Amino acid sequence: AQRVTQPEKLLSVFKGAPVELKCNYSYSGSPELFWYVQYSRQRLQLLLRHISRESIKGFTADLNKGETSFHLKKPFAQEEDSAMYYCALSGGYQKVTFGTGTKLQVIP
Amino acid sequence: DSGVTQTPKHLITATGQRVTLRCSPRSGDLSVYWYQQSLDQGLQFLIHYYNGEERAKGNILERFSAQQFPDLHSELNLSSLELGDSALYFCASSVGAGGDEQFFGPGTRLTVL
Repeated sequence: AQRVTQPEKLLSVFKGAPVELKCNYSYSGSPELFWYVQYSRQRLQLLLRHISRESIKGFTADLNKGETSFHLKKPFAQEEDSAMYYCALSGGYQKVTFGTGTKLQVIP
Repeated sequence: DSGVTQTPKHLITATGQRVTLRCSPRSGDLSVYWYQQSLDQGLQFLIHYYNGEERAKGNILERFSAQQFPDLHSELNLSSLELGDSALYFCASSVGAGGDEQFFGPGTRLTVL
């Protein structure tokens, strides 16, 4: 069975502080991992995926197979980063599993 | 706007009833995914269709069914509705059969009274 765990429901940080949104997964094969973001009153949209190894809006995420983690990081939080963040795993048979989401609140 | 459309936006119905939710994917996308988002459970994957065929099933109840039509739009049918079925139902589409970026619709909010 595949599982995605986001342990924090809410993460509050001050503007300019570093951000780390945690994501741990459970999957026996080679997963495809994603971070999706939902800004207020907007649709869920892709932020980044591990295979592209991009930095989007200053966010990066590294797949750590040893720790089965895919944490999302940003060195300096900005107010416009406030949103819901979902970690997702695409595994066997194209089944997709989303985490329960973390609400990031950046305090000015 | 992702190009994925869902109708209706809101639906209020009674327990025991049956409803149909509709999703039109982005032009060119062959995959449609359905998700249920309720307050405490986050985004739950229900089912995935690719080019008219079912590809994967998640936590979809037997009272729920879906299909993807030749024009690639999809419908999610919910029957014998219960109070606990009240949720936001999202569909998403993608180009390929899996593992690629999904584009989400605005969702249909279902309220069962």
